[in-house]
Amino acid sequence: AQSVTQPDIHITVSEGASLELRCNYSYGATPYLFWYVQSPGQGLQLLLKYFSGDTLVQGIKGFEAEFKRSQSSFNLRKPSVHWSDAAEYFCAVGGRGGSEKLVFGKGTKLTVNP
Amino acid sequence: NAGVTQTPKFRVLKTGQSMTLLCAQDMNHEYMYWYRQDPGMGLRLIHYSVGEGTTAKGEVPDGYNVSRLKKQNFLLGLESAAPSQTSVYFCASSPGGVPVEQFFGPGTRLTVL
Repeated sequence: AQSVTQPDIHITVSEGASLELRCNYSYGATPYLFWYVQSPGQGLQLLLKYFSGDTLVQGIKGFEAEFKRSQSSFNLRKPSVHWSDAAEYFCAVGGRGGSEKLVFGKGTKLTVNP
Repeated sequence: NAGVTQTPKFRVLKTGQSMTLLCAQDMNHEYMYWYRQDPGMGLRLIHYSVGEGTTAKGEVPDGYNVSRLKKQNFLLGLESAAPSQTSVYFCASSPGGVPVEQFFGPGTRLTVL
């Protein structure tokens, strides 16, 4: 069964600084990988996804993520954080065995200081 | 398109009361899901459905029942609410096939006293 670990519960960065949120997964083959963002009081919105091909994927709002098979990681990055990026971020993994279920990490809360 | 909608947005119950949460999607998606979100726990899958008339258990199904009588609706029922069911509940849908992205509703905040 697949699993996801987000090692950082809470990260604080200054506006304009770069950001990297970590995600490690466990799965026996190449998984499907997702990053979602949840603004306070809202549902989850998809930022980006990896299915196959280019290991660097671009998403919405200037985010990107890189799939590294050797490290079982799918870290989310943004070169310059805006105050509106303050939210909670969830990494999720889906298996290729035909199941439609996703397994979510416990989330990383991002605080942006002015 | 409204996407995924959830009714109600907020609810307070007393222990032992029952209620039904309604999820509706207008994207003609085959698959629908119910999650609960608790602080520090992320999202945990309660039940899901891979098509009209089908349901299956997720990670934390105890104390909940579901029904998918119509393709566009997925109902989550609590027969006898307990304080441990205080949570934020999210519904999601996806088109089906390979794991494509799930589309989430805005959530229902439920408090059980």
